[in-house]
Amino acid sequence: AQTVTQSQPEMSVQEAETVTLSCTYDTSESDYYLFWYKQPPSRQMILVIRQEAYKQQNATENRFSVNFQKAAKSFSLKISDSQLGDAAMYFCACGGTSYGKLTFGQGTILTVHP
Amino acid sequence: EAGVTQSPTHLIKTRGQQATLRCSPISGHTSVYWYQQALGLGLQFLLWYDEGEERNRGNFPPRFSGRQFPNYSSELNVNALELEDSALYLCASSLEGVSGNTIYFGEGSWLTVV
Repeated sequence: AQTVTQSQPEMSVQEAETVTLSCTYDTSESDYYLFWYKQPPSRQMILVIRQEAYKQQNATENRFSVNFQKAAKSFSLKISDSQLGDAAMYFCACGGTSYGKLTFGQGTILTVHP
Repeated sequence: EAGVTQSPTHLIKTRGQQATLRCSPISGHTSVYWYQQALGLGLQFLLWYDEGEERNRGNFPPRFSGRQFPNYSSELNVNALELEDSALYLCASSLEGVSGNTIYFGEGSWLTVV
């Protein structure tokens, strides 16, 4: 079984500042993948970044980067130079081979102040 | 390239009726996933189809069912609708089961049960 926990229901950041969203997970899989998805008010789920658990190097996509701590089962998302368009609900998710699905956390609402 | 497409965008049904939601995956994707997102809640996994077979099922009653067609499109059926079935239903697709493959979401179908 897999569980994903996002302990921050809401976060806020000033435009151009940096914010970190937290996520912890638990899985019995040895081969798994971690994802951050963004859901703006349109409700479309948009992939932000993914991390293969077997890779030690943290994934980076432009202003988005992760801090993957495998032993601690922690997978946080850092957003640098925050923009108004980053305002959304952010979901952390974990997927493995045995279950063929992603397990999502409860989400963190990010507000960006101008 | 077209993304995951879902229809209808909105659907209003009466309690006790049946609802059918449809999903076309990204071209080349063989796996289709269905998730339920009730208001204020995270994404709950419903079903996973791959190569026409149901591969995994979430903790939902049997009145939630579906199928995958030879062209990999999928249908979600909800029988004997209850008020609490009102939610956004998200379909996603991937090349195969999640292992290493990112899942991509459609824009969702809003189901309202009155």
